Amino acid sequence: AQSVTQPDIHITVSEGASLELRCNYSYGATPYLFWYVQSPGQGLQLLLKYFSGDTLVQGIKGFEAEFKRSQSSFNLRKPSVHWSDAAEYFCAVDLCREYGNKLVFGAGTILRVKS
Amino acid sequence: DAGITQSPRHKVTETGTPVTLRCHQTENHRYMYWYRQDPGHGLRLIHYSYGVKDTDKGEVSDGYSVSRSKTEDFLLTLESATSSQTSVYFCAISERLAGVTYETQYFGPGTRLLVL
Repeated sequence: AQSVTQPDIHITVSEGASLELRCNYSYGATPYLFWYVQSPGQGLQLLLKYFSGDTLVQGIKGFEAEFKRSQSSFNLRKPSVHWSDAAEYFCAVDLCREYGNKLVFGAGTILRVKS
Repeated sequence: DAGITQSPRHKVTETGTPVTLRCHQTENHRYMYWYRQDPGHGLRLIHYSYGVKDTDKGEVSDGYSVSRSKTEDFLLTLESATSSQTSVYFCAISERLAGVTYETQYFGPGTRLLVL
């Protein structure tokens, strides 16, 4: 069955340090991949998406992600974390595209930023 | 930000009572979705709609029904609420542009439901 795994439930990084959040997916076809961020008590905001082409995609707030087909991964990175990046991050894969796209989400990674 | 509102934003109800959550969009998007969010599970799809009066089930549809009588509104109904339906419910919308097979979902602010 199609699935998305985010191996890290919590990650703590120091402000200014680099960040990498891991995402692995299980999906037979070429995936469409997304990263969303959720601040406490808020809805989900799209950070970036991959549909095709260049495997390194740029998103908002200085985030980027790299699609690696051989590793079935779509890891999110940021070179220098800011305190405002503390939030929960969700990776998602597009499951079926016939009638809309039905996303399968990972369980999420909570990012804490220490000063 | 996408024009998506959800109502109510918070609700407390008792087991066995019916509950209806509303999602309203001003974007005229064709596709609408209902998810629930629970710790350790991320978001899981309950139902979705691909047009007025066109709906289908997602992975966790048991105990839920939906209706879409006009483009802008998508209602989620818990016919007889149970404590296991305590959750945060998110609505999302998307649109597919001509000539492409992908789209992006935009999410509403969520409804926090507590079933006692």
